Amino acid sequence: AQSVTQLGSHVSVSEGALVLLRCNYSSSVPPYLFWYVQYPNQGLQLLLKYTSAATLVKGINGFEAEFKKSETSFHLTKPSAHMSDAAEYFCAVSDRGNTDKLIFGTGTRLQVFP
Amino acid sequence: GAGVSQSPRYKVAKRGQDVALRCDPISGHVSLFWYQQALGQGPEFLTYFQNEAQLDKSGLPSDRFFAERPEGSVSTLKIQRTQQEDSAVYLCASSLALTSYEQYFGPGTRLTVT
Repeated sequence: AQSVTQLGSHVSVSEGALVLLRCNYSSSVPPYLFWYVQYPNQGLQLLLKYTSAATLVKGINGFEAEFKKSETSFHLTKPSAHMSDAAEYFCAVSDRGNTDKLIFGTGTRLQVFP
Repeated sequence: GAGVSQSPRYKVAKRGQDVALRCDPISGHVSLFWYQQALGQGPEFLTYFQNEAQLDKSGLPSDRFFAERPEGSVSTLKIQRTQQEDSAVYLCASSLALTSYEQYFGPGTRLTVT
């Protein structure tokens, strides 16, 4: 069965600093991995996805993530945080079964301080 | 273009009442998913439709939960005899096809059972 673990329920950074949000996965098949962002009272927006092409995936708003099979990780990074990046971030893995439903982590809340 | 819409956005129900939550997916999207997001948690899968066929309902927590998509477009999630533990945000997502791997989420319906 597939699962993801997000390390750190809260991450705080200063504006302009590096953002690093951690995600480790467990999957019995080659994983398809996703990062979603959720702003207050809104649905989830896809930031980026890995579906077995390039291991370094670039997404929207300057975010990127690197798939590392040896470490079973898919950490999300952004070189320079902006105030507007403050939100909840979810890592997810597709079950790649009959439905491709997503299995989500518990989320990481990113705070950005001026 | 229009995204996924959900109504109502907020619903307060007294314990024991029945509720119906509506999802309008993106036009032409074959796949439709329902997720439940408890406070401070990641979304959890409830059920999946491919067109009008409900192919996976393994995530429905009890037989009080029922979902339908009779014409392969709009979907309704019904909860009978609501309980306090049903309080959560209910998210609907749609995707173009089974293997498109990109789900588009609606803003969710926040259900509070008092």
